[in-house]
Amino acid sequence: GAGVSQTPSNKVTEKGKYVELRCDPISGHTALYWYRQSLGQGPEFLIYFQGTGAADDSGLPNDRFFAVRPEGSVSTLKIQRTERGDSAVYLCASSLERVDNTGELFFGEGSRLTVL
Amino acid sequence: AQSVTQLGSHVSVSEGALVLLRCNYSSSVPPYLFWYVQYPNQGLQLLLKYTSAATLVKGINGFEAEFKKSETSFHLTKPSAHMSDAAEYFCAVPNQAGTALIFGKGTTLSVSS
Repeated sequence: GAGVSQTPSNKVTEKGKYVELRCDPISGHTALYWYRQSLGQGPEFLIYFQGTGAADDSGLPNDRFFAVRPEGSVSTLKIQRTERGDSAVYLCASSLERVDNTGELFFGEGSRLTVL
Repeated sequence: AQSVTQLGSHVSVSEGALVLLRCNYSSSVPPYLFWYVQYPNQGLQLLLKYTSAATLVKGINGFEAEFKKSETSFHLTKPSAHMSDAAEYFCAVPNQAGTALIFGKGTTLSVSS
């Protein structure tokens, strides 16, 4: 497709389980971002990839959260030992340029994670 | 650190009325500022961006925003609201490292007929 694709669109899991969320960015976009959006809040930055490497992971809340982008395209956000507080919509975005070079972020529709 | 504050979590207007959504940025002058819109069940999309080329920025769907350094503001306006403008609107600024956008909490716009 032409846009950013995220799967699954919805994921319900139990507390303590492991979850993977996938993001397929726009072809050719070297920059990829993960955000988390809780109800009534704006998107909260988690991690930024430039190519295959995580250039800024300062937003990851703790070591239960990890993300990879092994071939510089598709990315997977991995959450271990999920907690109820992890429930949120996880957004992926990609861009051609860095945001401080007026790069526009193109967002997917998000993966809604519910931890019971 | 860079940040933005959106005043008013919810704004309601009548169709045809002026839309004004407020955004103030932190006192250190940002390189760029952005407004994004999120329609129901859709991803965020860029409305407009300030890149210091001009203080009045025009975006899609008739929206515009004016950068005012003296007021540290970047308010979003539209002269005449349409029902289709009902959505959530987010103001954003690059973080200090230039590696990500920092978003405000958002303003939900409701338009009544």
